[in-house]
Amino acid sequence: DGGITQSPKYLFRKEGQNVTLSCEQNLNHDAMYWYRQDPGQGLRLIYYSQIVNDFQKGDIAEGYSVSREKKESFPLTVTSAQKNPTAFYLCASSPGGGLQETQYFGPGTRLLVL
Amino acid sequence: QKEVEQDPGPLSVPEGAIVSLNCTYSNSAFQYFMWYRQYSRKGPELLMYTYSSGNKEDGRFTAQVDKSSKYISLFIRDSQPSDSATYLCAMDDGNKLVFGAGTILRVKS
Repeated sequence: DGGITQSPKYLFRKEGQNVTLSCEQNLNHDAMYWYRQDPGQGLRLIYYSQIVNDFQKGDIAEGYSVSREKKESFPLTVTSAQKNPTAFYLCASSPGGGLQETQYFGPGTRLLVL
Repeated sequence: QKEVEQDPGPLSVPEGAIVSLNCTYSNSAFQYFMWYRQYSRKGPELLMYTYSSGNKEDGRFTAQVDKSSKYISLFIRDSQPSDSATYLCAMDDGNKLVFGAGTILRVKS
């Protein structure tokens, strides 16, 4: 089955801790994205990558970091600098990152602060 | 003012009703318009995708775009309890997708 997988489904973070969210796709898509979803605010773009070894900041990149060492993987690290990390995190991919291409989403990871 | 405005609802309708979901936007640069459906605690899935002004139909779903009024709509005919979800509009500004806040729809059987 082709698709996007995210793990874990739920993640708990302690004060001052960095945590990493996994995103893997087997769709052979070039572009990958990370969004944050908060109630009543829709999806906000954190980071995106249009090609391996390259990525750009989105609208709310502060307190987050990413890497894109492999085409199929785009992990997101929520650092201790992110003071309000509780949210639903969604990873997406698209064939080439062009305007007319639709994005396909993974099932999401819910991050909670202890 | 947000670039994309969407009534959060919740919108509650009886089974079989026609549902109208709407978004307004302020950025004339938006060229592509999408509707996503998101079930509780799941990732969004693409429902409809349009480019030009006018209507696009897919089964019980019709997407409508009015670029002159900066207004898009999604109509659901013969609504079913399985249509109960959050519906997100999204628009492409040339660099990224901009999402509405989502409308919660509940279809009662």
